[in-house]
Amino acid sequence: QVQLVESGGGLVKPGGSLRLSCVASGFSFSDYYMSWFRQAPGKGLEWVSYISSSSSYINYADSVKGRFTVSRDNAENSLHLQMNSLRAEDTAVYYCARRSSAWNYFGSWGQGTLVTVSS
Amino acid sequence: DIQMTQSPSSLSAAVGDRVSITCRASQSIGSYLNWYQQKPGKAPKLLIYAASTFQTGVPSRFSGSGSGTDFTLTISSLQPEDFATYYCQQGYSPPETFGQGTKVELK
Repeated sequence: QVQLVESGGGLVKPGGSLRLSCVASGFSFSDYYMSWFRQAPGKGLEWVSYISSSSSYINYADSVKGRFTVSRDNAENSLHLQMNSLRAEDTAVYYCARRSSAWNYFGSWGQGTLVTVSS
Repeated sequence: DIQMTQSPSSLSAAVGDRVSITCRASQSIGSYLNWYQQKPGKAPKLLIYAASTFQTGVPSRFSGSGSGTDFTLTISSLQPEDFATYYCQQGYSPPETFGQGTKVELK
């Protein structure tokens, strides 16, 4: 079955960096757009970034543009989010999700990884 | 970006009640509207896509309707496991934005 497993979250000081990973299994990873979302404590879902199947198309939310970088390794079935210059407002649970080929829904999500930015 | 607005932000209901949640898009999105359920500490779960198509395994008490800019998620008879937060999401154009969520609480 489809599985997405995130890792890499943790506690980091403001201005620090973290690299999140999402390892996929149970489907042909290279065929799908992938996205990162986040959810701050007690808040709603916020789109962070997406990357196309071949990495040709990438986009970021304004709130992270210039600080975060998304990448993927189709040979390793993995998705990454490099987060630099972290701020307190980046504190959230980060989810990776697979976008469907039609209707652009997210039918598969990782379990989430918590990023806490605090001194 | 397309803005998605849900109403209400929260509601209180009893087991067995019929519950409706509304989602409005800032521009026409055809039927590119998806609904999710999220429980505390868990990832969102897809319920309905393309405005009215059930995801596999979703109980038939959930239904979705609408097109263009106005959409509705209805739970025909609320069950204990349905107390959660519900989100709409547009898939018409990237980024695929979400509504702010509707929390369904026990009355």
